[in-house]
Amino acid sequence: DAKTTQPTSMDCAEGRAANLPCNHSTISGNEYVYWYRQIHSQGPQYIIHGLKNNETNEMASLIITEDRKSSTLILPHATLRDTAVYYCIVRVAGQAGTALIFGKGTTLSVSS
Amino acid sequence: EAEVAQSPRYKITEKSQAVAFWCDPISGHATLYWYRQILGQGPELLVQFQDESVVDDSQLPKDRFSAERLKGVDSTLKIQPAELGDSAMYLCASSSQAGTGELFFGEGSRLTVL
Repeated sequence: DAKTTQPTSMDCAEGRAANLPCNHSTISGNEYVYWYRQIHSQGPQYIIHGLKNNETNEMASLIITEDRKSSTLILPHATLRDTAVYYCIVRVAGQAGTALIFGKGTTLSVSS
Repeated sequence: EAEVAQSPRYKITEKSQAVAFWCDPISGHATLYWYRQILGQGPELLVQFQDESVVDDSQLPKDRFSAERLKGVDSTLKIQPAELGDSAMYLCASSSQAGTGELFFGEGSRLTVL
């Protein structure tokens, strides 16, 4: 799987949008970008994934650049409960049973 | 909503003792994973099962760790003997063969070795 690069930490004010960047310059054509987050002392939780089109669900939006070498996870109105470590992972989708390879992620701190 | 169940939630043991963790995946999920997460780092894959078969255990320290999924449903991860460096969160996850194959994680078992 391609390697990803994320900032170590980010801060965000409550109610503002949190934009978490991820670089994946060696991504292959059949690899998707997945985002998971891990709230303190809990297991990781799936947020969203995409191939090349922008995606949105009830939790977040995912913006992938046209060359697919980077992406941004957007939490439109961050709350204190969004404080967590966010992991950007590149993985071939459709291959059910492919393990996720985690990096260190970005620690997002949301403050009031 | 279906969840991955893990127990115990917390375990404190002394070094050289044996310890075991249990995981019950979401019903129908054929693939089961055990991850280890040291404080401040991302989860690291230890072993992956497809039904009752091991798919990948290349990162499992086989001299002291063992994992089994005898009937292809729940799974046990054992450490014997435990060492100080084994202190970590042990996470279990499962995924189905259908759909996009996203992983669902349990709450984890936090091990402290004294």
